[in-house]
Amino acid sequence: EAQVTQNPRYLITVTGKKLTVTCSQNMNHEYMSWYRQDPGLGLRQIYYSMNVEVTDKGDVPEGYKVSRKEKRNFPLILESPSPNQTSLYFCASKRRMDSYEQYFGPGTRLTVT
Amino acid sequence: AQSVAQPEDQVNVAEGNPLTVKCTYSVSGNPYLFWYVQYPNRGLQFLLKYITGDNLVKGSYGFEAEFNKSQTSFHLKKPSALVSDSALYFCAVNGNNAGNMLTFGGGTRLMVKP
Repeated sequence: EAQVTQNPRYLITVTGKKLTVTCSQNMNHEYMSWYRQDPGLGLRQIYYSMNVEVTDKGDVPEGYKVSRKEKRNFPLILESPSPNQTSLYFCASKRRMDSYEQYFGPGTRLTVT
Repeated sequence: AQSVAQPEDQVNVAEGNPLTVKCTYSVSGNPYLFWYVQYPNRGLQFLLKYITGDNLVKGSYGFEAEFNKSQTSFHLKKPSALVSDSALYFCAVNGNNAGNMLTFGGGTRLMVKP
């Protein structure tokens, strides 16, 4: 089954404790991205990757890092999480940068206390 | 900068009645427009898109959307609502000279009552 998976699905952590949210897709997609969803703000793009070793900032990159060492994986790293990063995070992928349809993962709900 | 507005936080409709979820946008150049649906505890699912061509586009689950360039709108519609259509709906836009950036609206919760 074609899908985007994320782990963990739920995470509660404390301020300053580094964490990684993993994302993997099995569709051989070149393009992957991370979004955060906050009430009333819709989804805002954090980072995206057009292919292996190619990443760039989205609308709200501050406080986040990403890497793309393999085509299927695109982890999101929070080096020093803060309470304002409490949110619902979605990973997404699409075939190429100029493809239209994105496939979303199930989401990771992060709470930073 | 491109933007999307969904003016209604929530839309309530009775089962069997037609529904409309509103979306207006602002972009430079020609817009590429999308609707996504999010069911509880799930990721976003693609419903439909407008890239070019016929202003009325048909998508999944009986939904359709009408692109209106003069009003910069892309309202989502369905002739007869089902209780199972209750979900959060997002409109999104990608201007053709905005690279790959997809901008989402704030979302509209659709509640269909039996």
